[in-house]
Amino acid sequence: SAVISQKPSRDICQRGTSLTIQCQVDSQVTMMFWYRQQPGQSLTLIATANQGSEATYESGFVIDKFPISRPNLTFSTLTVSNMSPEDSSIYLCSVALRREDYEQYFGPGTRLTVT
Amino acid sequence: AQKITQTQPGMFVQEKEAVTLDCTYDTSDQSYGLFWYKQPSSGEMIFLIYQGSYDEQNATEGRYSLNFQKARKSANLVISASQLGDSAMYFCAMREGGYQAGTALIFGKGTTLSVSS
Repeated sequence: SAVISQKPSRDICQRGTSLTIQCQVDSQVTMMFWYRQQPGQSLTLIATANQGSEATYESGFVIDKFPISRPNLTFSTLTVSNMSPEDSSIYLCSVALRREDYEQYFGPGTRLTVT
Repeated sequence: AQKITQTQPGMFVQEKEAVTLDCTYDTSDQSYGLFWYKQPSSGEMIFLIYQGSYDEQNATEGRYSLNFQKARKSANLVISASQLGDSAMYFCAMREGGYQAGTALIFGKGTTLSVSS
C-alpha cells in the first residue's frame, strides 16, 4: 500500500490568489493523478502528473489554471491559479504503485474555499 | 456519453439487511477494471473491491461482493448485513485498458447510502 499526505489539509483563500497543494508519498510510485471533487459531486480527473515532463491534462483543465509539477517519484504539487469561488472543492492526490498494481490510493484531500 | 452510470442518488436500508448499489459502465476496451470506493463524511476515499474484466468469478471482500455481469456491462456492489458505519457515499469507478495501462480511474456520480437502526 501507499501512505499519501497532502498539505494543506484545508485553506480559505481570496479570489484572484493562487494556492499550491503538495502531495507526498512514502514510496516511489509510477502514476500520480490529481482529482477535483466539487461540493456534493463526484471525482473529476484534472491531470496525470508525469515525472520529468509536462502533466497530461483532461478536457476542460489547462496548465495555466492548474500548473502541476512532479520533480521525482514521490512528490507532486498542484497549483490552483487566479482562484474564483467556483474553484472551491476538495483536491485529491492519487497514486498507483506500479503498472501491475490494480489499486489506486488516495490522499486525504485538500479542502479549498475561495471567498 | 457517461462511462460510469450510477442511477441511485440515495439508498436507504435497515441495519443487518443486504443492499445492492447499481453501476453500469461503457467501454470498448476488452481489458478493464472495475472498482468500488467508499467515501464517509470525513472525505477519505476507501477502496472496497476490484473486478477485472477477465475475472470469471465475482469478487468478494468480506461483506462486500461485486455482481459482475459482463454482457450487461454492470458491476453492482452488494453489501451484506449492513451496519450503521456503512452510511457513506459509494463510488463506482473504471480503469480502461486494464491495470497495466496505468490510466486513471473514471468515477460515477455516486450513491449515498443511509443505514438506519
